[in-house]
Amino acid sequence: AQTVTQSQPEMSVQEAETVTLSCTYDTSESDYYLFWYKQPPSRQMILVIRQEAYKQQNATENRFSVNFQKAAKSFSLKISDSQLGDAAMYFCAYRSASSNNNDMRFGAGTRLTVKP
Amino acid sequence: DGGITQSPKYLFRKEGQNVTLSCEQNLNHDAMYWYRQDPGQGLRLIYYSQIVNDFQKGDIAEGYSVSREKKESFPLTVTSAQKNPTAFYLCASRIGAQPQHFGDGTRLSIL
Repeated sequence: AQTVTQSQPEMSVQEAETVTLSCTYDTSESDYYLFWYKQPPSRQMILVIRQEAYKQQNATENRFSVNFQKAAKSFSLKISDSQLGDAAMYFCAYRSASSNNNDMRFGAGTRLTVKP
Repeated sequence: DGGITQSPKYLFRKEGQNVTLSCEQNLNHDAMYWYRQDPGQGLRLIYYSQIVNDFQKGDIAEGYSVSREKKESFPLTVTSAQKNPTAFYLCASRIGAQPQHFGDGTRLSIL
């Protein structure tokens, strides 16, 4: 079964600075999707960014970008110009592209604190 | 607006009681999911359904049951067999290759 590992339970960043959250995963599949979700104190799960494994180009969404290293099975999230509203739990997630394997696997999360 | 509605937001269960958490979506999504989240932890899959009248167990299905009689609805019953039900429960739905959309969750506590 696929597993997702987030090795940083907590991270801290100064407002306006850049921070990188780490994520590694284990799979034998070649086609899959990777996601970063943000969970603020309201407990909503908000999609931050997604990456298709067949795409070599790293995904970007405004201040959020990823470093996808398929061979290393690594999928880190970079937040640039950090804002106070970025403070939240961040979850890395993996989903197979196979229709026979439909579920999504989540890491344990990284709690990000943004200091003013 | 389309979305996923979970109710109630807070729920209390007495010992030996079954309780049902509601999840309704108007996104016309085929697949629906139930996750459990414990404090400081990630999401663990309880059950999922890819189509009406069909569902599969996830990693922690024991003590839970579901039904999928309508495309829009995927209720989760926490039975008395679930000995540690206190947690935050999230429902999600998806269509095709799109990311999952999540509801706002239900917090279940034991009285």
